[in-house]
Amino acid sequence: AQTVTQSQPEMSVQEAETVTLSCTYDTSESDYYLFWYKQPPSRQMILVIRQEAYKQQNATENRFSVNFQKAAKSFSLKISDSQLGDAAMYFCAYRSALAGGTSYGKLTFGQGTILTVHP
Amino acid sequence: DAGITQSPRYKITETGRQVTLMCHQTWSHSYMFWYRQDLGHGLRLIYYSAAADITDKGEVPDGYVVSRSKTENFPLTLESATRSQTSVYFCASSDPAGNTIYFGEGSWLTVV
Repeated sequence: AQTVTQSQPEMSVQEAETVTLSCTYDTSESDYYLFWYKQPPSRQMILVIRQEAYKQQNATENRFSVNFQKAAKSFSLKISDSQLGDAAMYFCAYRSALAGGTSYGKLTFGQGTILTVHP
Repeated sequence: DAGITQSPRYKITETGRQVTLMCHQTWSHSYMFWYRQDLGHGLRLIYYSAAADITDKGEVPDGYVVSRSKTENFPLTLESATRSQTSVYFCASSDPAGNTIYFGEGSWLTVV
């Protein structure tokens, strides 16, 4: 079974600075997707960024980028120019891409990292 | 509007009562999921469904029942609620390609 680990329960950053959230995962599969979800106090789950394992290029969405190290099974999220609205819980998640497999379609989540942004 | 909706959003119930959380999606996604979120555990999968009339257990299925008679609906029933089932419940859906999974807004359930 796949596992996802976020080793930083809490992180903080000054407004306008950069912060990196860590995520590692364990899988024996070669094809999969990785995600970062943001959960503000409203508890809404908002997709931040997605990475396909077969793509070597790191995904980027505006101020959000990832450092995907497939061999190391690491998937960190970098937030540049942090804003007050970035304050939230961030979840890393794994999804198998093996169609028809027992775990296909299911997201496995890490425990989450609470990000605080200081003005 | 297209999307995924959960009801009720907030529910307080007593121990031993049956509770059903509803989930409805308008995308005709084949995959639907129920997760629960508890402090320190992230989101844990309760049940999922790959299509109508096809359901399977997730990580924490005990005490829950699901059905999927129609593609768009995926209700979650707590047959006899316990205090340990106090949680925030999220329904989600995705298409077979499943590149992205979309979440409902969550249902806050308190069992007293």
